[in-house]
Amino acid sequence: DIQLTQSPSFLSASVGDRVTITCRASQGISSYLAWYQQKPGKAPNLLIYAASTLQSGVPSRFSGSGSGAEFTLTISSLQPDDFATYYCQQLHTYPLTFGGGTKVEIK
Amino acid sequence: EVQLVESGGGLVQPGRSLRLSCTASGFTFGDYGLNWFRQAPGKGLEWVGLFRSKTLGGTTQYAASVKGRFTISRDDSKSIAYLQMNSLRTEDTAVYYCARVDSSGYDSPWGQGTRVTVSA
Repeated sequence: DIQLTQSPSFLSASVGDRVTITCRASQGISSYLAWYQQKPGKAPNLLIYAASTLQSGVPSRFSGSGSGAEFTLTISSLQPDDFATYYCQQLHTYPLTFGGGTKVEIK
Repeated sequence: EVQLVESGGGLVQPGRSLRLSCTASGFTFGDYGLNWFRQAPGKGLEWVGLFRSKTLGGTTQYAASVKGRFTISRDDSKSIAYLQMNSLRTEDTAVYYCARVDSSGYDSPWGQGTRVTVSA
C-alpha cells in the first residue's frame, strides 16, 4: 500500500498567516492527489484534486502543488473558517490511502 | 443539488450484521462510481470499498481489512447504494461515509456519515 506522510500533524497559526502543509508519498503517484478539509462532526470536503486543481466553490486562497512523491497545500491568508483538519489522499493505486491529517488551530 | 445521505447505522454486537444505505439525489446515480470510507473515533480516514459505474465495468474492490466480510451493492433504479457488513468486529466502530466518484475521478461530494458502534 502507498503510505502518505503529512507534516506537521499540528499547526498553530493566526488569522492572516500563510500556512503550508506537506504530504509525502512512499512512492511516486504522479499527480493523483487530493486535499480535503474536515471540521468536527462533519464530512470531509474536497478542496484540491489532481494535486493543483481547485475544486469548484473553494476559495482561491487555497492552492496545491507538487507531483511525484511530494506535495503541498498552501493557504495564502488564513481565515477564521479555515481552522480545521486537513487530509491528503492518493488515488494512484488501490487501496486508496490518506495522510494522518494536519490539525490547524488558532494561535 | 448533488447530495448523498447515509442511513442504517447504530449499535450492534460483535459478530452480527448491519446494512448501511447511501441515498443519492441531484444527479444520474448510475453514471458514477461510489466509494465507502470510514473514520474511527478520533482517528483518520480509511477507504473501505468501491463500486464502479457500469461504464467502468460495475466491479467492486475492497480494503483488506473488510474483504470477505463487507459487500457493496447498488440499485441504480432507486439511486441507492448499500454496504452490507457481516461478522462485525469492535474495530469496525466508526462513522461511515459514502462519496461519489465524480467526473474527475475524485470523491465529491461525501454524505454526512452514519455512526456504527460494535460493542457487546
